Amino acid sequence: EDQVTQSPEALRLQEGESSSLNCSYTVSGLRGLFWYRQDPGKGPEFLFTLYSAGEEKEKERLKATLTKKESFLHITAPKPEDSATYLCAVRAGGTSYGKLTFGQGTILTVHP
Amino acid sequence: SQTIHQWPATLVQPVGSPLSLECTVEGTSNPNLYWYRQAAGRGLQLLFYSIGIDQISSEVPQNLSASRPQDRQFILSSKKLLLSDSGFYLCAWSRFRDGSGNTIYFGEGSWLTVV
Repeated sequence: EDQVTQSPEALRLQEGESSSLNCSYTVSGLRGLFWYRQDPGKGPEFLFTLYSAGEEKEKERLKATLTKKESFLHITAPKPEDSATYLCAVRAGGTSYGKLTFGQGTILTVHP
Repeated sequence: SQTIHQWPATLVQPVGSPLSLECTVEGTSNPNLYWYRQAAGRGLQLLFYSIGIDQISSEVPQNLSASRPQDRQFILSSKKLLLSDSGFYLCAWSRFRDGSGNTIYFGEGSWLTVV
C-alpha cells in the first residue's frame, strides 16, 4: 500500500530562519511527487511536481528536491506570508487516474 | 486559463437531509474530475473520479454518490446525510487522461457540517 509521511507535523520559524520540510514515501513505481500549499479554509494550491530522483524545482523562496525515498521542501528566508499547511502527495504507477496518496501535511507558521 | 468553481462554499445540514455539491471547470475540455474529502486530520481522501460523462468510479464505500451530467460538471450527492459526512469537500480536475504524472488542480472547497 502506498504511504506518505510528512514531518514535522508543525513547524514554527522566525522570519528569515531557513528550514526544510520532509516527505517520506513508499510507493510502487513513482509516477510523480506533488507539493501543495493550503491556506486555512481554502483548497490546496499546486506548487511543484517531481518525477525522478535528483530532480529539483524552485519557486521564489521554495525549493523541492527528490530522492528515491523522500522529498524535501526547503524554505529559504521565509516570510510570514509563507505560513500555511504544506501537503505532499504521490502517484504510483498503475494507479487509477488522479489517485494521489496524500500525507497529513506540515503546518508552517512564520513569525515576524 | 482554466478555472474551477465549486459551490456552495459552506452549508449546515441536519442529519438525514439530502446533499448536493456542484463543481464546474472552465477553459478546458474533457478533463478528469475528482471529489476529495478532507477530514479534521488534514489528510485528503479520494472519493470519486471521472474520466468522462457518466463514467464515474468510487474509491471508497460510503453514503455519497457522484454524477457527471456534462463534460465539465461534477456533482456530489447524498440522499440522507450522516454525522460522519461532515468535512471539507474538494472538487479537482486534471488535464490528461493517460494516468501519467499530470497535475491535479483543486477548487476552493465546500465546508459541510451535519448537525
